[in-house]
Amino acid sequence: AQTVTQSQPEMSVQEAETVTLSCTYDTSENNYYLFWYKQPPSRQMILVIRQEAYKQQNATENRFSVNFQKAAKSFSLKISDSQLGDTAMYFCAFLGTQGGSEKLVFGKGTKLTVNP
Amino acid sequence: NAGVMQNPRHLVRRRGQEARLRCSPMKGHSHVYWYRQLPEEGLKFMVYLQKENIIDESGMPKERFSAEFPKEGPSILRIQQVVRGDSAAYFCASSLASGETQYFGPGTRLLVL
Repeated sequence: AQTVTQSQPEMSVQEAETVTLSCTYDTSENNYYLFWYKQPPSRQMILVIRQEAYKQQNATENRFSVNFQKAAKSFSLKISDSQLGDTAMYFCAFLGTQGGSEKLVFGKGTKLTVNP
Repeated sequence: NAGVMQNPRHLVRRRGQEARLRCSPMKGHSHVYWYRQLPEEGLKFMVYLQKENIIDESGMPKERFSAEFPKEGPSILRIQQVVRGDSAAYFCASSLASGETQYFGPGTRLLVL
């Protein structure tokens, strides 16, 4: 079974600085998708970024970018120019493609606080 | 284009009662997923449905829980005879097709007294 590990339960960063959140995963599949979701205090789950495993190019979305290392099974999220509104729980998630499975497997999350 | 809708947003039930949670997917989406989030935890998959079909219910407790996605109307997650351990946030997500991004609703917070 796939597992997703986020080793940093909490992190903090000063406004305007850069922070990197770690995520590793375990799978025997070769083709899959990886996601970062953000959950602010409102508890809404918001998609931050998506990466297809077959793409070598790292995904970027404005101030958010990933460092996808397929061989190492690592998928870290970099937030540049951090803003107060980035304060949230961040969840890394894995979606496999084999066996008709469509279930997202989530890590336990990293609580990010952006300080003014 | 409205997002995924869930209602109610908050639900309080006494032990032994039934809880019924509703989810309307994004327009055009035919794949619906239910996840449960316990306090201080990540989301855990419960069930995956397409119109009138349960595709994967491997995350559903064997008893008291059921889900449906009828031809017309929202998807329903039903919990019979609720217990305190059912207290959690229940999230619905929808996607356009297999392998596509799942978009989440705002969740239903269930509190069992």
